[in-house]
Amino acid sequence: DGGITQSPKYLFRKEGQNVTLSCEQNLNHDAMYWYRQDPGQGLRLIYYSQIVNDFQKGDIAEGYSVSREKKESFPLTVTSAQKNPTAFYLCASRRWTNRDLMNTEAFFGQGTRLTVV
Amino acid sequence: AQSVAQPEDQVNVAEGNPLTVKCTYSVSGNPYLFWYVQYPNRGLQFLLKYITGDNLVKGSYGFEAEFNKSQTSFHLKKPSALVSDSALYFCAVRGYGQNFVFGPGTRLSVLP
Repeated sequence: DGGITQSPKYLFRKEGQNVTLSCEQNLNHDAMYWYRQDPGQGLRLIYYSQIVNDFQKGDIAEGYSVSREKKESFPLTVTSAQKNPTAFYLCASRRWTNRDLMNTEAFFGQGTRLTVV
Repeated sequence: AQSVAQPEDQVNVAEGNPLTVKCTYSVSGNPYLFWYVQYPNRGLQFLLKYITGDNLVKGSYGFEAEFNKSQTSFHLKKPSALVSDSALYFCAVRGYGQNFVFGPGTRLSVLP
């Protein structure tokens, strides 16, 4: 099946620990995104990547890092510098063509719920 | 800057009644508008989008949305609500670059 897969579904982090959330897609999408979801605040953009080996900070990038070594993969690392990491993290991907550059919808993974213990 | 407002945190509707979930937007340039639905502990699912053309857009699961340029609104509608429609609904607009700006979400509860 084509889709976007996030793992793990649940993740627990100790204080001062770095953790990495996985996001893989087999949709051949060029653009990939990481969002953070907190109750009542909707989705906030952490990082995005439009092509391999390139990524840009979103609105709340502090305390997070990403890599895009392969088209299919866009892992997110939550570092110890992120002081309030407990949240639901969503990865998304999107087709990119010159013809309909603005018009395509995003496909989302099922999310990873990160909790600090 | 692009922004999206969903003025209602919660919408309650009886099963079988029509439902409306409201969305207003602010964009520079042409608006590209989207609706997504989220079930508990799941990712977002795409429902429909407005890019250009007819102001009434039809989408998945019997949902439709009406684009109103003068009122800068893109309200989500369904003629007859189902209990299974109960979920969190997000309106989104294309933001800077190739990103999306999401509204805060509206929780829809359909009561049997």
